[in-house]
Amino acid sequence: GENVEQHPSTLSVQEGDSAVIKCTYSDSASNYFPWYKQELGKRPQLIIDIRSNVGEKKDQRIAVTLNKTAKHFSLHITETQPEDSAVYFCAASRSNQGGKLIFGQGTELSVKP
Amino acid sequence: NAGVMQNPRHLVRRRGQEARLRCSPMKGHSHVYWYRQLPEEGLKFMVYLQKENIIDESGMPKERFSAEFPKEGPSILRIQQVVRGDSAAYFCASSPQTGDNSPLHFGNGTRLTVT
Repeated sequence: GENVEQHPSTLSVQEGDSAVIKCTYSDSASNYFPWYKQELGKRPQLIIDIRSNVGEKKDQRIAVTLNKTAKHFSLHITETQPEDSAVYFCAASRSNQGGKLIFGQGTELSVKP
Repeated sequence: NAGVMQNPRHLVRRRGQEARLRCSPMKGHSHVYWYRQLPEEGLKFMVYLQKENIIDESGMPKERFSAEFPKEGPSILRIQQVVRGDSAAYFCASSPQTGDNSPLHFGNGTRLTVT
């Protein structure tokens, strides 16, 4: 069945360093890839998304890259800040399944001051 | 513009009782999705509904779980005869009618504890 693998499960960086989280997906028909940030006890919040007709997208300190051939996409956070500490989830879906997202297992990011 | 509203925020039930979780989508949204998040795990898709229709329930357990989204009122996720393994956070999300790959925005969730 459809599957999304996410690595690493935990990531610790120093403030100001970059953080990279990687995901691979199994369903070659997937064409939408959002990333969510979830703080402890709170709801997942959409931070950036990318569609399969684009290879890269940036929003200030956050960027996402997509390699359709390898079925691989990544989240890049530059100049990390303590408030970036949270659990990050990648997800994938295909257009004929509406909002049925298949989520990765999550990455707990810790940014140390 | 209010976001996705879920209630209650916290729900405690004894084993064997019923749990009812409610979700009101964002204004103008007619697609609702329910996801379950077990402690320290990712979100798992449960069911996708439009008004008065279940579109995809491939993630719903075969027994004890049901969902509806009536013409009027919120979407309801119902769990009958709860067991301890049902303890989780249940999140609802909605998208507009033109919702092919529309970004999903989640509510604050209902945290169900079964004692």
